[in-house]
Amino acid sequence: ETGVTQSPTHLIKTRGQQVTLRCSSQSGHNTVSWYQQALGQGPQFIFQYYREEENGRGNFPPRFSGLQFPNYSSELNVNALELDDSALYLCASSFHRGGGETQYFGPGTRLLVL
Amino acid sequence: TQLLEQSPQFLSIQEGENLTVYCNSSSVFSSLQWYRQEPGEGPVLLVTVVTGGEVKKLKRLTFQFGDARKDSSLHITAAQPGDTGLYLCAGARTEKLTFGTGTRLTIIP
Repeated sequence: ETGVTQSPTHLIKTRGQQVTLRCSSQSGHNTVSWYQQALGQGPQFIFQYYREEENGRGNFPPRFSGLQFPNYSSELNVNALELDDSALYLCASSFHRGGGETQYFGPGTRLLVL
Repeated sequence: TQLLEQSPQFLSIQEGENLTVYCNSSSVFSSLQWYRQEPGEGPVLLVTVVTGGEVKKLKRLTFQFGDARKDSSLHITAAQPGDTGLYLCAGARTEKLTFGTGTRLTIIP
């Protein structure tokens, strides 16, 4: 069984640039959720994708967008990067059953915005 | 708004001692998950509790879900240096997980 994988592991960008982060879900899972974890804090929910559509969104601006592909992998795109976007971005996969499912996390992508 | 409060935020104890971490909320969750996270890595699932009053044991770790499904506790018996890490509780309701503030545990050999 393959776990959740994310790429790249680390990334450095400058303010105003755009970034794309990638996630492959665990085999057998059809749902991907993205979280942002700032230093010293718990992860914050960005959004979830199920059946290639957004299935819930947290309190993040529209410059945070995503995609899910037919193989259930997903991308997180962030436009017009700001210094506060520096964080660990976590992807989690699960099998959709209508809510409350256990989510399994990838190792994360560490993004630094200068 | 932080829906899940964890206490204590920091805990440093000697190897062999027992400890309890609490996770409290005013909201009801359909399930509650406990994770452990190492620096620079993603959270690793320890347990999921679903039923009010449920108790689950994982070797020296005992997890309890409150009767009203609003709170939970993690008890570690005879702590070892390998237990050092950030412990996160997360409540599941609809599509998202709401994480607690985390408890950073350090076990001193």
